[in-house]
Amino acid sequence: KQEVTQIPAALSVPEGENLVLNCSFTDSAIYNLQWFRQDPGKGLTSLLLIQSSQREQTSGRLNASLDKSSGRSTLYIAASQPGDSATYLCAVDSNYQLIWGAGTKLIIKP
Amino acid sequence: DADVTQTPRNRITKTGKRIMLECSQTKGHDRMYWYRQDPGLGLRLIYYSFDVKDINKGEISDGYSVSRQAQAKFSLSLESAIPNQTALYFCATSRSSSGANVLTFGAGSRLTVL
Repeated sequence: KQEVTQIPAALSVPEGENLVLNCSFTDSAIYNLQWFRQDPGKGLTSLLLIQSSQREQTSGRLNASLDKSSGRSTLYIAASQPGDSATYLCAVDSNYQLIWGAGTKLIIKP
Repeated sequence: DADVTQTPRNRITKTGKRIMLECSQTKGHDRMYWYRQDPGLGLRLIYYSFDVKDINKGEISDGYSVSRQAQAKFSLSLESAIPNQTALYFCATSRSSSGANVLTFGAGSRLTVL
């Protein structure tokens, strides 16, 4: 059974720092891995999708990597800003269903 | 207007009451989903529907039922609510032709069962 873990559960960093969020999964047979952002009262927003054949995807200050063999993905946020404060969730598309991590709550201190 | 609209956004009810959460979408997507989110846990799939005549149980369907009234509408019902169904509920949609399973989410419905 696929399991997805995100560590740490919460992270607080000063504005301007680069940071890395981690996501691990137990079964490497995945179709893709997705990163989402959750803001209170606003639902979830898709940030990046990495297909199983890809190693990374970039969007602006965000870069997501995927290492299927080790069951790991990272989300790199460059030059963090207070507006980046949110909960970040990763989800693995396994057998056409998304399996979700519990998320990392990120706080960027001004 | 939001692409995926959930009503109500917040609801407090008592044990044993029947509750319906509604979801409507303007995305034109054929697939719709209901998830619940609990603190410290990832989203868990309750039910999903790939078209109007297709309803499938997810990971945690016990105590819930759904109705796909039209391509744009997907309702979640709790026939007799219990306190451990207190959670944040999300409706999501996706398009089968998109290749990857990319979801668009509603803003969520927070349900409290006393």
